[in-house]
Amino acid sequence: GAGVSQSPSNKVTEKGKDVELRCDPISGHTALYWYRQSLGQGLEFLIYFQGNSAPDKSGLPSDRFSAERTGGSVSTLTIQRTQQEDSAVYLCASSLQGPYGYTFGSGTRLTVV
Amino acid sequence: AQKVTQAQTEISVVEKEDVTLDCVYETRDTTYYLFWYKQPPSGELVFLIRRNSFDEQNEISGRYSWNFQKSTSSFNFTITASQVVDSAVYFCALSERWGTGTASKLTFGTGTRLQVTL
Repeated sequence: GAGVSQSPSNKVTEKGKDVELRCDPISGHTALYWYRQSLGQGLEFLIYFQGNSAPDKSGLPSDRFSAERTGGSVSTLTIQRTQQEDSAVYLCASSLQGPYGYTFGSGTRLTVV
Repeated sequence: AQKVTQAQTEISVVEKEDVTLDCVYETRDTTYYLFWYKQPPSGELVFLIRRNSFDEQNEISGRYSWNFQKSTSSFNFTITASQVVDSAVYFCALSERWGTGTASKLTFGTGTRLQVTL
């Protein structure tokens, strides 16, 4: 597609439930990133995928968080047993291989009640 | 470890004023890239500029200009004759070392919220 697409745009979930956030990157972009932006905060790196290489999961805050990227394209970020501190905007970005700027999606605003 | 500091959390100016957003970075790499992104109220981050560590020439794009100084590890962003549409959160970012076939993970600052009023 023309841009990075994320769904849903908003998600409200009850504490303890699992959620899945989806990211559809720009076609041809081999790198895909997930960041989290809490209210009034900067962007916190979560995970990135590059081609067929093992993903860099160093930013995942706990084992409740996981992500996969199928067929080198669409990615799903899963948060199990959600907690209130998981409330944030989850941003996905994609880029070409190398030190290029990212193209970000519009984000998924997750609210855990 | 890489670090980006944007000491100004919020700046308010009146339209047509010039404003400079500060960015200071830390890295052990000799080769790196610096970026600025704009996040308007709509929420989507917009890429503004990328600068590599070997190019210290200042850059101007319309009302925007960037001042990169390796000696002070700074990459400041100036908006000349600010407009209400410039109101947004601006993020500075630094790329981590990359290699052939790898991607480039960005470390972001905490952002500076710019409010331009009439």
